[in-house]
Amino acid sequence: RKEVEQDPGPFNVPEGATVAFNCTYSNSASQSFFWYRQDCRKEPKLLMSVYSSGNEDGRFTAQLNRASQYISLLIRDSKLSDSATYLCVVAVGGFKTIFGAGTRLFVKA
Amino acid sequence: NAGVTQTPKFQVLKTGQSMTLQCAQDMNHNSMYWYRQDPGMGLRLIYYSASEGTTDKGEVPNGYNVSRLNKREFSLRLESAAPSQTSVYFCASSLRVGDNEQFFGPGTRLTVL
Repeated sequence: RKEVEQDPGPFNVPEGATVAFNCTYSNSASQSFFWYRQDCRKEPKLLMSVYSSGNEDGRFTAQLNRASQYISLLIRDSKLSDSATYLCVVAVGGFKTIFGAGTRLFVKA
Repeated sequence: NAGVTQTPKFQVLKTGQSMTLQCAQDMNHNSMYWYRQDPGMGLRLIYYSASEGTTDKGEVPNGYNVSRLNKREFSLRLESAAPSQTSVYFCASSLRVGDNEQFFGPGTRLTVL
């Protein structure tokens, strides 16, 4: 079983749609949680951190459920520019940061 | 401020050849990392350097060596390339090990024939 699991997609949505991505992790000792964005043939970049209380950054909302070991990312009012792969990332501690394989999103006009 | 730079961007090797991937950062970060990314898999850590003068193995170190040349530069060497090392290689840096955000270079696409 992978330490961080994501639905690979692809998710194909029209502009303006709301889309949600889920991620599960296996290590209950995990300390920090993030979503990174990776454009096609580019490097990953931090999108947002994820906190137990939930956090929002504009159209993006991230949630963490430690009891279920589950992380989510909600994108509202999708834009063409949101098309990318979204990586769920879990930091266990020290150098150990586990990257999920990513969920691909295509937003269509 | 270039962030994290990597050279080369693309490389094709024959089995058994050697090469060194170069990485440099200008953010005065203490920690640097080398990852590989393969289709359907997340980034996997090859080696990391918590601070200048130290290097440690990550998840998939076999077939690789690293050198932390100074605080800015961290190189990855393939001594005898194998087709299984065909991948996209990313260098990253962070202020310190375990820091929230890692900054990535643009990647090196390596094909081993």
